[in-house]
Order: sequence, then structure tokens, then C-alpha cells
Amino acid sequence: GENVEQHPSTLSVQEGDSAVIKCTYSDSASNYFPWYKQELGKRPQLIIDIRSNVGEKKDQRIAVTLNKTAKHFSLHITETQPEDSAVYFCAASISYRTGGGNKLTFGTGTQLKVEL
Amino acid sequence: NAGVTQTPKFQVLKTGQSMTLQCAQDMNHEYMSWYRQDPGMGLRLIHYSVGAGITDQGEVPNGYNVSRSTTEDFPLRLLSAAPSQTSVYFCASRLDSTHEQYFGPGTRLTVT
Repeated sequence: GENVEQHPSTLSVQEGDSAVIKCTYSDSASNYFPWYKQELGKRPQLIIDIRSNVGEKKDQRIAVTLNKTAKHFSLHITETQPEDSAVYFCAASISYRTGGGNKLTFGTGTQLKVEL
Repeated sequence: NAGVTQTPKFQVLKTGQSMTLQCAQDMNHEYMSWYRQDPGMGLRLIHYSVGAGITDQGEVPNGYNVSRSTTEDFPLRLLSAAPSQTSVYFCASRLDSTHEQYFGPGTRLTVT
């Protein structure tokens, strides 16, 4: 089955700096890669996603890049703010041609702390 | 739309008791899943479903049962609660495998 590895497990940056979180996946058939943000005591919420037919996607201060050859994708947050402090999860999903799709496999999470 | 709803929000059980965590969604999503999240840990998949009448095991299925009789509901049953099942449980749903997965607010379960 799919295996998703995420690094680093913790990341501390100064306000205004950039943060980068990296994930690798094992199954080359994976074609959907979302990123979730989870604030303390709350549910995970989608912040950005990318499908395998594009290499990069940007939404204001957040961007995701995908390298299908190397089987890795990254989350980039620019001009970090204290409210960006949270746990971030990457995930990967596969669409099978028959029998429907399957499960969304998550990375282990990155605790991002933005310091003033 | 209410999105994904879960009940109860909090629950305390004694070892050996059974209970059902309820999950419902009103977005007509085919895919539904149950995860558990332990303190400082990631999301571990318990069971998932790709449509009514279809369920499959995730990475930590032991001690849990599911059924999917309707598109809207996906209850999770704890057969005989154990302290190791103390966790936060999230239900989630999505339209298909390439669309956003929405999470419910979670159920915090403590087994004593």
C-alpha cells in the first residue's frame, strides 16, 4: 500500500520567514496530494491540494510543488505569521480505474511554530 | 449544509463496555472514513467506505466494527472498550479520491 513520509517533524521559524515541509510517497499511481492544517483542539482542514497533472499550485502565501519523477511534494509558506503555527499534514491518494478510489494516506505531521 | 457531524463530542467508558460513535454527512459523499488521533500523533485510519454497502479495513481496525447502510451515515462500533482506545476519533467524508476530504469535529473518548 501507499506510504507517505513527512519531514521535518518540528519546524520553528521567525515571523516573516519562509517555511518548507517536504513529503515523499511510495506509489507512483498516487494522483491527488492535499495538505491539511490542524490547530490545537480542532479538526484538520484543507489548506491547499494539487493533482498529478500540474507541478505547482499557489494560493496567496501558500504554495505546493509536486515532482512525480522523484515522488515528492512540498508545502511552502511565505511571510509566516503567528497564526500559521499549527500541525500540518500531507497526504496522498490513488484513483483506481476499477472498483472506485481508495483511502487517503497521511504523513505523520509537522509542528510549525512561528516565533515573534 | 451541516457538513460532517459526529456524536457524542465527549464520552467516558469503562473497560469492556461497548458503544457506537455516530457520523453523518449531508454532502452526498460516497467516501467516508474513521481515524483516530492520539496525543502528538498523526491520523491513523481505522476503517473506510467507498459507498453504501462497501467497507474496508485501514491500518488499525482491531476492536472496531463499521457498517454503511446509507450514503449519509457511517457509525463506528467499539466492541469491548480498552484503555488503549482512549483517543480522539475523527470521521471524514469526500466526494471521491481526488477531491477534498472534510473532517467532523471529533469525539474525545476516554476508557478507564
